[in-house]
Amino acid sequence: NAGVMQNPRHLVRRRGQEARLRCSPMKGHSHVYWYRQLPEEGLKFMVYLQKENIIDESGMPKERFSAEFPKEGPSILRIQQVVRGDSAAYFCASSPLAENYEQYFGPGTRLTVT
Amino acid sequence: AQTVTQSQPEMSVQEAETVTLSCTYDTSESDYYLFWYKQPPSRQMILVIRQEAYKQQNATENRFSVNFQKAAKSFSLKISDSQLGDAAMYFCAYKVNNNDMRFGAGTRLTVKP
Repeated sequence: NAGVMQNPRHLVRRRGQEARLRCSPMKGHSHVYWYRQLPEEGLKFMVYLQKENIIDESGMPKERFSAEFPKEGPSILRIQQVVRGDSAAYFCASSPLAENYEQYFGPGTRLTVT
Repeated sequence: AQTVTQSQPEMSVQEAETVTLSCTYDTSESDYYLFWYKQPPSRQMILVIRQEAYKQQNATENRFSVNFQKAAKSFSLKISDSQLGDAAMYFCAYKVNNNDMRFGAGTRLTVKP
């Protein structure tokens, strides 16, 4: 059973461009979470999705950021018009349908905005 | 709001000795879950140990054990017989049911040979 997959592992964008980060959850997992980690800090929650639904986006910036988890395919975290402050590691985690499980993390995508 | 505090930004331990990493949290919930994750230089988040709040018995996983004090809202991690491969950032995390996790700022553990 493959773990949580994220791609790309490293992404470089110039200011003003768009960044698309992909996350494929573990097989059988229908809950996906996105976190952001700034240098020397812990992970900060951004958004929680189930298939075709955003459950909680309280940690997501109101502008330029969006997330989706379509019926088919990976979850996508999209950042429009990136700025230098968006440079960070973005982690995706997934958990099974049942409650009360720990989250399994992907390897992360390191976004660098130049 | 739930917060997680790790008061030790850095810790150091001699190989083969024991070290304890501190974590406190703030919550009004009675049923929740606590975790310790390890993040080596590869940046992969690796689950070290988990504790259900309703369980009084402290969780253990080989050389890793926790001291869970529910009333004090404390959840420390003890690493026994430290190994060089234990060197990493360690994050304490809190979760209610299937919601998001709240992480502490992390403790950087150095293991001296």
